[in-house]
Amino acid sequence: AQSVTQLDSQVPVFEEAPVELRCNYSSSVSVYLFWYVQYPNQGLQLLLKYLSGSTLVESINGFEAEFNKSQTSFHLRKPSVHISDTAEYFCAVSVKAAGNKLTFGGGTRVLVKP
Amino acid sequence: EAQVTQNPRYLITVTGKKLTVTCSQNMNHEYMSWYRQDPGLGLRQIYYSMNVEVTDKGDVPEGYKVSRKEKRNFPLILESPSPNQTSLYFCASSTRGGNYNEQFFGPGTRLTVL
Repeated sequence: AQSVTQLDSQVPVFEEAPVELRCNYSSSVSVYLFWYVQYPNQGLQLLLKYLSGSTLVESINGFEAEFNKSQTSFHLRKPSVHISDTAEYFCAVSVKAAGNKLTFGGGTRVLVKP
Repeated sequence: EAQVTQNPRYLITVTGKKLTVTCSQNMNHEYMSWYRQDPGLGLRQIYYSMNVEVTDKGDVPEGYKVSRKEKRNFPLILESPSPNQTSLYFCASSTRGGNYNEQFFGPGTRLTVL
């Protein structure tokens, strides 16, 4: 079975500063990797995903994540955050061979301060 | 507008009183799923359905039931709720092959069992 660990439960950061959210996974088979974002009082939305190909993936709002197979990591970064990036971020994996199951990490709450 | 809807959004009930949380999607998705979100644990899958009349247990199915009589609806039933089922519940849907496709989430149902 696969598992996901998000190493930081909360990350306070000042506006316009960079942020990195760490995600490590374990799986005995190949996986797809996702980051979902949950804004206050809303459901989750897909931020970006890695399926194959280039190990660096980007979102439309300036986030990027890099798949590192040797370190089994998929860390999320943004070079300059905005107040509107305040949210909870979830890393998730799914196994290529098995259905639609997503396994989520515990989440990282990002609080952007002015 | 493509969306997943859940009702009710908030519910306070008492131990043992049967309740149903409805979920509906208008995207003609084959796959639907229920998750519960608890602090520090991320989202855990309760039940999922690959298509009409096809349902299966997720990681935490105890105390829950589901049905999939129509493609668009996937209600979650708690026959005899207990306080440990106090949680935030999300319904999600995706196309077949949702392990690499985006899952679309509803806005959530916050349930308190006294």
